[in-house]
Amino acid sequence: DIQMTQSPSSLSASVGDRVTISCRASQSITSFLNWYQQKPGKAPKLLIYAVSTLQSGVPSRFSGDGSGTDYTLTISNLQPEDFATYYCQQSFSRPEAFTFGPGTKVDIK
Amino acid sequence: EVHLAQSGGAVVQPGGSLTLSCAASGFTFDDFAMHWIRQAPGNGLEWVSLVNWDGSDTYYAKSVTGRFTISRDNSKNSLYLQMNSLRPEDTALYYCVKARESGYDFDYWGPGTLVTVST
Repeated sequence: DIQMTQSPSSLSASVGDRVTISCRASQSITSFLNWYQQKPGKAPKLLIYAVSTLQSGVPSRFSGDGSGTDYTLTISNLQPEDFATYYCQQSFSRPEAFTFGPGTKVDIK
Repeated sequence: EVHLAQSGGAVVQPGGSLTLSCAASGFTFDDFAMHWIRQAPGNGLEWVSLVNWDGSDTYYAKSVTGRFTISRDNSKNSLYLQMNSLRPEDTALYYCVKARESGYDFDYWGPGTLVTVST
């Protein structure tokens, strides 16, 4: 089974900062990597799919990169509404399994 | 606008059964695969099950295989999750989730329905 890890597990940042979250798969997932944002008490929201494609309506300050086993989500110019938990998710092992990372919580410094 | 209205969550005893429902609107339901994804209180996300557009193919996480059954009724634009032999570790908020065109990423999520397995 493919395992997903994220680092850091949490971080504190200020409005206007540039933030990078890392996601690592236990084996190559050949770009089948997606990112979600979840705010407290709300359902997750798809931000990026296939490593770097922004979902419709997602601000361009969000970007994704990576290949093989290592991927990143970057938020440039952090905004107050960006404080949330972010999850990566692999769909390489579709359709039998889909795995999420443990999440990275971004809060206000 | 896509809307996924969920129902069926409850408190149930270990070993019990429950069926979750999800009524979809705002998109052509039978064009898309659908998923159930759960989140235990204070924890991360766990994919549970997938059904393809016409219900002919279904897939399950190892943790629920043999106990849960996903199904859909395209005439009613509805998705279901029949859960049997429930365990305390099944306690979670269960999300009904629409797949994007690829089928393998999740672009719209319902609000979730809470299942609590406890004596």
